[in-house]
Amino acid sequence: DAGVIQSPRHEVTEMGQEVTLRCKPISGHNSLFWYRQTMMRGLELLIYFNNNVPIDDSGMPEDRFSAKMPNASFSTLKIQPSEPRDSAVYFCASRIAGNTIYFGEGSWLTVV
Amino acid sequence: DAKTTQPPSMDCAEGRAANLPCNHSTISGNEYVYWYRQIHSQGPQYIIHGLKNNETNEMASLIITEDRKSSTLILPHATLRDTAVYYCIVRDPTDSWGKLQFGAGTQVVVTP
Repeated sequence: DAGVIQSPRHEVTEMGQEVTLRCKPISGHNSLFWYRQTMMRGLELLIYFNNNVPIDDSGMPEDRFSAKMPNASFSTLKIQPSEPRDSAVYFCASRIAGNTIYFGEGSWLTVV
Repeated sequence: DAKTTQPPSMDCAEGRAANLPCNHSTISGNEYVYWYRQIHSQGPQYIIHGLKNNETNEMASLIITEDRKSSTLILPHATLRDTAVYYCIVRDPTDSWGKLQFGAGTQVVVTP
């Protein structure tokens, strides 16, 4: 099993640019989560999907953030326009109902 | 979900047992105790979980008090690779979406 796969692993972008983070959950998992980690706020849940449907996006910081899950094997988290305060590590995680959540290795975003 | 309280940091000598405490005094009867860890620059990694009984797997042991208001994660023979932030989380399994809310965790440093 390849685990949760995220890309890019590292990205540096200029303020105002669009950023797209990608996630491939573990095959067969039907729940997908996006987390953000910063020194100040720790690990925060941004949004989660169940069977490709967004269930709760109350953690999404503002309208500049959006997430989609067009199919069971792919999800994106988009920031448009990006700001320096968006610099963080973004983690994707997945699970199958009733079981453990598994995390990817994260996407390290720096907005300058 | 019930909140947890963990010490911010602790040191452990290599080869010795590391005992990580967690208080969850407001835990309800159907909430599980989960432990994850996060090694620097990696995604959170599942360690173990339990409800009432003590649990053991290849990574660690989990001791839950009879009143379930606290628990201890035991790493039986700590190695340098166990240096990480350890998170204690309580989760309601009836929350079918299975989201995890992370606190600040305990920074464990294993020294030679």
